[in-house]
Parts: sequence; C-alpha cells; structure tokens
Amino acid sequence: AQSVTQPDIHITVSEGASLELRCNYSYGATPYLFWYVQSPGQGLQLLLKYFSGDTLVQGIKGFEAEFKRSQSSFNLRKPSVHWSDAAEYFCAVDLTGTASKLTFGTGTRLQVTL
Amino acid sequence: KAGVTQTPRYLIKTRGQQVTLSCSPISGHRSVSWYQQTPGQGLQFLFEYFSETQRNKGNFPGRFSGRQFSNSRSEMNVSTLELGDSALYLCASSLESGVPGYTFGSGTRLTVV
Repeated sequence: AQSVTQPDIHITVSEGASLELRCNYSYGATPYLFWYVQSPGQGLQLLLKYFSGDTLVQGIKGFEAEFKRSQSSFNLRKPSVHWSDAAEYFCAVDLTGTASKLTFGTGTRLQVTL
Repeated sequence: KAGVTQTPRYLIKTRGQQVTLSCSPISGHRSVSWYQQTPGQGLQFLFEYFSETQRNKGNFPGRFSGRQFSNSRSEMNVSTLELGDSALYLCASSLESGVPGYTFGSGTRLTVV
C-alpha cells in the first residue's frame, strides 16, 4: 500500500548538534515531497518541498533535505540545531500526482537540550 | 499578504450537535483543502475544493461536508458530532489545484463533549 513512514517518533539532540529526520515513502513513481513543522497549538509551516531536478533542496530556517530515489527517502537535515527548532516535524507526500492531496507521516517530535 | 485565516480558533460543542468551520485562503488562492489532526490518527485529508467544486475527498463519513464560495472562502460542516470528532481542523490553500505547495492556517480546535 502507498504510505509515508517517519520511523522516529521522538528525537532529542543538544543545541548546536546536527540533525537528521528520516522519511520514507512507498509509491510507484516519484511523488511531490514536503517537510512541514508544527509548534504546539499551531498550524503547519512549510520548510521545503521537492518536485523534480536537484535532489538537494534548501528550505527555510537553515534546513535542507535530500531526495534519494533508490532509497525512496527524503530526509531532513540541519547542521546546527537551535533551541527554537524544538517542534514536531511532518514529512508529507502527494501520492496522487495531482498535487491536491497530501499524505502525512506520523511525525517526529524534536526535543532540543541546552 | 495575509495568510490563511481560520475561524473560530477554538470551539466546544455537545455530542449530536453540528458545527461549521470557516477558512479564508490567501488572496488569489483558489484551491482549499481541509485536514483533520488527532493524536491517534494523525493528519488526515478530508477534502479539496477548487473553483467551488470538490475535486478530492478523503475517507470520512458523510457527516463531514464542505463547500467553497465564489470568493474561494470555504466552510466545512460536521453534523451529528461524535466524541471522536474532537480534533484540530486545518485548512490549507494553494494557488491552483494541481500546483504543489500548500499554506496552512493555524487551525480550529474542536472539542466535542
């Protein structure tokens, strides 16, 4: 079945350390791929998106993500985490190819220790 | 440029009642989608509207319905509320249907008691 998997429910990193959040999808073709961040009680903010072309995508707040077709992955990275990055991160894909319906992963909650 | 506006932010309803939530998209955006977020089921797609027409629908019962007006504003309605309908309802808008990249509102927190 078509799905999106974020294998890490909760991750804790120290401020200043690097971060990688994992996302895998199961789909026959290459879907549109997104990473969103959600702070408590808030909506979703788009960090970055991949449609085609360069597989390394730069986003806001110093985040980047790399699309790897062979691994069906779209992992989110940040070289140095700030305490304000503590939030929940969602990987989302458009599996329909119509860009009108997003399927979300279950999310990864990031905790940053000082 | 104003973002996606959802009203109200918080709502408490009694089981069996109905509720209407409102979403005003970013100016110029014509596609509006709705999502339900719960701790147990996560983020789930409800439906998408474009030019007043429903283009996609998720796997929700008929108690969940929506509509879009000529100014692209959208409403969703839930009838005969159940306790399990308690959730954060998020609206997202996009320039056009089929153009990737949605901007989300802050959501409406619905509590059913």
